[in-house]
Amino acid sequence: DTGVSQDPRHKITKRGQNVTFRCDPISEHNRLYWYRQTLGQGPEFLTYFQNEAQLEKSRLLSDRFSAERPKGSFSTLEIQRTEQGDSAMYLCASSLADNQPQHFGDGTRLSIL
Amino acid sequence: AQTVTQSQPEMSVQEAETVTLSCTYDTSESNYYLFWYKQPPSRQMILVIRQEAYKQQNATENRFSVNFQKAAKSFSLKISDSQLGDTAMYFCAFYAGNNRKLIWGLGTSLAVNP
Repeated sequence: DTGVSQDPRHKITKRGQNVTFRCDPISEHNRLYWYRQTLGQGPEFLTYFQNEAQLEKSRLLSDRFSAERPKGSFSTLEIQRTEQGDSAMYLCASSLADNQPQHFGDGTRLSIL
Repeated sequence: AQTVTQSQPEMSVQEAETVTLSCTYDTSESNYYLFWYKQPPSRQMILVIRQEAYKQQNATENRFSVNFQKAAKSFSLKISDSQLGDTAMYFCAFYAGNNRKLIWGLGTSLAVNP
């Protein structure tokens, strides 16, 4: 059990650029979650995968956000045409089942200049 | 709608003392799960403790224990013998089968003072 791994740890980019983050879940976990967290707030749900199927996506997520989990293992989260309001910590978590604890990665901190 | 409320934005406690963090929730579900997570400054979110609603016995995990009052929809976290390393944001979270995602509280910032 190597834990949930996220890459990169930090990303600084100019407004309008596209960014992509990667998450590698714990190997036997088939559930994978993406969250966004701003300073002093709790995690805000973005999307959820069971294996390769994206089963739920937050209505708060604009069309600029897309996530994939092509082989049911690692996942990517892409943000197109980044905006200032996208600056946040993006957290990935995985679990064995819906009612089991979620294990989190260290997150990717995105800063938009 | 299911909601989780943490009414204490900030708390502090002296090292070695006991502190209780409160959490209430609202749901019409009868079977659900409750969690406390800890997030130290600039560090990873970590599971502290988990409680299944169908279990009457309160969960414990070393110095951490919960007071689960199902009728009152209350799920407080007690930290005994507080240590400096307990300084963190603590989040209460709720899961029910009709929702695939955790519902999170806004968190309580706990400072353990030497």
